[in-house]
This record gives sequence, C-alpha cells and structure tokens, in this order.
Amino acid sequence: SQKIEQNSEALNIQEGKTATLTCNYTNYSPAYLQWYRQDPGRGPVFLLLIRENEKEKRKERLKVTFDTTLKQSLFHITASQPADSATYLCALLNQAGTALIFGKGTTLSVSS
Amino acid sequence: GAVVSQHPSRVICKSGTSVKIECRSLDFQATTMFWYRQFPKQSLMLMATSNEGSKATYEQGVEKDKFLINHASLTLSTLTVTSAHPEDSSFYICSAREGSGAIEQFFGPGTRLTVL
Repeated sequence: SQKIEQNSEALNIQEGKTATLTCNYTNYSPAYLQWYRQDPGRGPVFLLLIRENEKEKRKERLKVTFDTTLKQSLFHITASQPADSATYLCALLNQAGTALIFGKGTTLSVSS
Repeated sequence: GAVVSQHPSRVICKSGTSVKIECRSLDFQATTMFWYRQFPKQSLMLMATSNEGSKATYEQGVEKDKFLINHASLTLSTLTVTSAHPEDSSFYICSAREGSGAIEQFFGPGTRLTVL
C-alpha cells in the first residue's frame, strides 16, 4: 500500500536560517503533492501544490521541490522566523484518487 | 479563499452518548466532503469520503455504524459518533472539495471530542 514518510518528527533551527523538511513516498506515482501547515488544535492550512512535471515551486519564502525518480519532495522555508513554528504536513492523493492522505508531519521550532 | 467551519469546536460527553459534529462550506458548494481523525502527535487519518446525496465511503477499519455520516446538502455534512467511548476521544477534522475535478481540499478548524 502507499506510504508517506516525513523522516524528521521535529526540527529545531535558529531564526534566519533555512529550514528543510523531507517527504518520501512509496508504492505510488502521484500526479501532484501538497504541503500544509498545522498549528496546535487547528485544522491544516494549504501552502503549496507541486505537480509531477514541475521540479520546483516557490511562494514568498517557501520553496518546494519534487523528484519523482527519488520519490521525494523537499520543503524549504528561507529566512525562518519564530512565527513559522508549526507542524508541516505533506499530502498525496490516495490510490483511488479520491482523497488526500497525509504524512505524520514535521514539527518545526524556530528560536530567536 | 474558501472557508470551512465546524461546530462545535469542543465537546465533552459521557460514555455511551452520541455526539454530532457539523461541517459547513461557507462560500462554496462542496460536492465532496471528507472526515479525518487525528490522535495526539499523529497524522490525519482519513475516516470517510462523502458525496452529496449518496452514502459515504468508509476507509478500512472505520465502523460505519459507529460513525454515521450524512451529506444531505452541498454545504453541510455531519458526523455522528454513536455510543461514544473514551477511545473515541480525538480531534475530528472535516474538509471539503468544490467539484469532482477540483484538486484543493479546504479544511475546517477541527472538533476536539473528549469522552469521559
């Protein structure tokens, strides 16, 4: 069955540095991959979507890459700020193509 | 952007009672709605997918008689946890998609259920 892994449960970095989060998937070839932000006690908020034919996508300080050969997506936050502290989830469509399934998430803590 | 609301945001109930959670799409018509459950420090687990006017499709391991889902209109879906037990305590999150060809799912703020 398809599997999504976000290898780091937690990532701690200093303000101003670049945070890099990893998402790997197996047993699937998704047409696109999404990244979400989730704050404690809240629902996920959509950040970025990248399609299989796109190598890279940017939005302000966020950058996502998608390597379909490695079956991996990297999510970067440049010039990180304490307000970026949250859990970041990657998501793919399930095999039926009907709903999103999520990785466990990486909790990012940015210290000032 | 599209907004999805959930009500209530928190609910505490006694074991054996039933609890209903509402999910509404406020500014768009949601042909498909989804219900997820999230335990502490775990990811969102898809429980069921519902299309307006038809029966929900439940994921493997989710009891359809325990988690009743109704999607009677294009803006409202309800999840009823019947005969709730402490192990049903969790964070329930709904999401909605506008059309069958739409990609983006918009998520509600979640409902924290605590069963005593």
